[in-house]
Order: sequence, then C-alpha cells, then structure tokens
Amino acid sequence: EPEVTQTPSHQVTQMGQEVILRCVPISNHLYFYWYRQILGQKVEFLVSFYNNEISEKSEIFDDQFSVERPDGSNFTLKIRSTKLEDSAMYFCATSGGTGELFFGEGSRLTVL
Amino acid sequence: GESVGLHLPTLSVQEGDNSIINCAYSNSASDYFIWYKQESGKGPQFIIDIRSNMDKRQGQRVTVLLNKTVKHLSLQIAATQPGDSAVYFCADSNAGNMLTFGGGTRLMVKP
Repeated sequence: EPEVTQTPSHQVTQMGQEVILRCVPISNHLYFYWYRQILGQKVEFLVSFYNNEISEKSEIFDDQFSVERPDGSNFTLKIRSTKLEDSAMYFCATSGGTGELFFGEGSRLTVL
Repeated sequence: GESVGLHLPTLSVQEGDNSIINCAYSNSASDYFIWYKQESGKGPQFIIDIRSNMDKRQGQRVTVLLNKTVKHLSLQIAATQPGDSAVYFCADSNAGNMLTFGGGTRLMVKP
C-alpha cells in the first residue's frame, strides 16, 4: 500500500538552529501539506502546496517557516531559527485531489 | 472542528459494544468531512469520509452521520475491538481547502 514517508522520525535541536524535515509523497499525488501537533493537542494546519507554490497557509506558518520541493520528489519543511514552542510532531500529508489526505508517521521535533 | 485543549474527552466501552464518537464543527460552509484514527506515536489514519450532499455513509464496521443543521458529525463503530483503541479526530474542509481538525476523542476499549 502506498504511503507517505517522513524523515527524521525524531530530531533534537538547540533553540535558534535551523531544522529541515523531509517528506516523500505518494508517487502520483500532487497536493502536499504540513500539519503539526503539539503533544496532547489537536492537529493544526500549517501550509498547503500545489504546483510548486504555496496555496494556503495558517497564522502559525510565519517567516521562520518555508517549504519547497527541490528535486521533484522530496517535500521539505524548513524552520530557520527554532523556538522552544516549535517542539511538536510535524506531519506531512499528501492528496491525489479527492480531498482525502494521507498522512505520514510524523517527525518529532524537540527544541531545547 | 472545535478545540478542546489539552484534556481529551474519553469514551470507554466494553469490547463488543458499539461506540459513538461525536464532533461539532464550526464552519457552515464546510462540504467535506473525514474521521481519522490516531494511535499513539503514529500519524492520523483515514477511516471514513462524507460529503455534504449526504447525511450517512457506511464502511466496514463504521458509519458516519452528518447533521448539517446543527453542524454535527458522528462516528459509529460496531462491535468495538481492542484494536480500535485510539484517539479519533474529525476534520472538515470547504471547497478543497485545508482540513481543520477537531480536538479529538480518546476511545478506550475494555476487554
């Protein structure tokens, strides 16, 4: 069964450091998303990406965040200067356009 | 969906019983709704979806009911099994835009 793959599964970083989270979408999917989930809380939308550009973003997705699909396969989320409150589980999701989102297993980010 | 903060409502059921998990959404323009299951340490897993032109949809052991009048969504799980223990989230979207997740309900199945 096709799946969304995320790396790393867990990253620990110092406050102020840059972090890149990677996602390999399901091969024929064209819509990509990043969500995050702070421990014990609901899943929150960050950004959606289609046709090599951001289609929608939330208030959480400020200037410290960026996304790109540099090589046509990986879909990345970059946090330029991490803050303590960025500690969360980050989920990549992809869609073939039906509305149903397929989620990866997540990347846990811990900022110290 | 609506946020319930850090404290997840919990539904505890006996194995073999039916479970009903409820969700309220706030956007009256939402036209697509999904239920996700999230096991500890894993990503959300699709269970069942429904579009706003329907009020009921059935899958294998699961049924989703949509009441647009009161903006309410429910997930019914028949013959609940221990493997159904997880946090369940509803999510809604409008015209293919971002999914908005509810706060989640923890389902605990007692053997």
